[in-house]
Amino acid sequence: GQQVMQIPQYQHVQEGEDFTTYCNSSTTLSNIQWYKQRPGGHPVFLIQLVKSGEVKKQKRLTFQFGEAKKNSSLHITATQTTDVGTYFCARNNNDMRFGAGTRLTVKP
Amino acid sequence: ETGVTQSPTHLIKTRGQQVTLRCSSQSGHNTVSWYQQALGQGPQFIFQYYREEENGRGNFPPRFSGLQFPNYSSELNVNALELDDSALYLCASSLFSIRSETEAFFGQGTRLTVV
Repeated sequence: GQQVMQIPQYQHVQEGEDFTTYCNSSTTLSNIQWYKQRPGGHPVFLIQLVKSGEVKKQKRLTFQFGEAKKNSSLHITATQTTDVGTYFCARNNNDMRFGAGTRLTVKP
Repeated sequence: ETGVTQSPTHLIKTRGQQVTLRCSSQSGHNTVSWYQQALGQGPQFIFQYYREEENGRGNFPPRFSGLQFPNYSSELNVNALELDDSALYLCASSLFSIRSETEAFFGQGTRLTVV
């Protein structure tokens, strides 16, 4: 089935540094969703992008959907320890397919 | 809290046994999806149920089966358990949309260990 690839697999940053994770697909996506999973927790919905070139912001988080709708990114400005967790992108055609996730650790 | 509840939270089974996991959907949602998440991996889509019918299936063998009930709650059944079935099993409820633009609300998961 249609897969989404995520990079990097791991990212370790100093608190206050920025963080970006990327999601790529070989085919055009109808939408992309982003989820955050804290250690020991379950995925929690962050945002959905639908339109080509769409950019959405949630406080320090910026989400982008590529013009060709084949890639997306999540950027966190000035990371905090509360940002720790694994960030997943997922494409949803009523059967959600997740990327492998980017695990973020933040050093205080 | 998402309103999606799963039971049990933890379970230990022996290889070859059968297991049933349960999920109660969020109020107002008519679709339930099940995922298997191995340690350090992303959730893998098992199947989805809509209006009590299977509405899509991932790459899992037939020994993984499910049910959705009229109240939209759901069960995941796994027969002939194998050691590799050890994982976190996640249930997610959503409201079916033709445009697929719906978010999924996940339960806390059931941690299954097969020994």
